[in-house]
Amino acid sequence: QQQVKQSPQSLIVQKGGISIINCAYENTAFDYFPWYQQFPGKGPALLIAIRPDVSEKKEGRFTISFNKSAKQFSLHIMDSQPGDSATYFCAASSRIKAAGNKLTFGGGTRVLVKP
Amino acid sequence: DAMVIQNPRYQVTQFGKPVTLSCSQTLNHNVMYWYQQKSSQAPKLLFHYYDKDFNNEADTPDNFQSRRPNTSFCFLDIRSPGLGDAAMYLCATSRVTRDTQYFGPGTRLTVL
Repeated sequence: QQQVKQSPQSLIVQKGGISIINCAYENTAFDYFPWYQQFPGKGPALLIAIRPDVSEKKEGRFTISFNKSAKQFSLHIMDSQPGDSATYFCAASSRIKAAGNKLTFGGGTRVLVKP
Repeated sequence: DAMVIQNPRYQVTQFGKPVTLSCSQTLNHNVMYWYQQKSSQAPKLLFHYYDKDFNNEADTPDNFQSRRPNTSFCFLDIRSPGLGDAAMYLCATSRVTRDTQYFGPGTRLTVL
């Protein structure tokens, strides 16, 4: 019940195109959904995050869409650029005891943007 | 700039030789985490500290230990590294419960 399933595993998109990554979860207690971007040899960096009280959040070219009833959320990268080539991880967390939140990661999507 | 710092960035050790990885933060966050990340996989949580309260994941091998002497520093000790422990080790911090986690750049561990 703690799983977060992410698809696709890899994605190739032309420069200027739209990259779409999907995630699905089972645990209805999840209430925080961040996306992380990771370049090779670097640590993950928070890209954008959403809570289930909104259905969409946009920051620049990055948009999260959230469907609470379907327990799915997705990341859209508009006008994809070669610099967006990275691995993207969705994640989810729920309130646990006050020892800090615990992220459950999706399996990751490697995105390659071709010039 | 406030950040999460990991040292060294690359560590080579021999099979069975203890190794210590370090993490420091200038964010003054209460929670510090250690993750293991193998190639093409998601980060896997090993354990975390909330202040001095240590929380071990159930499937973290006993070979992995951690110390947090103060708010700013946290160490990962691998007592007897095996070939299967070669990975990227990531430190992360968060302010309090359910807050965003901020990751360091990682330490790439090679076991010969």
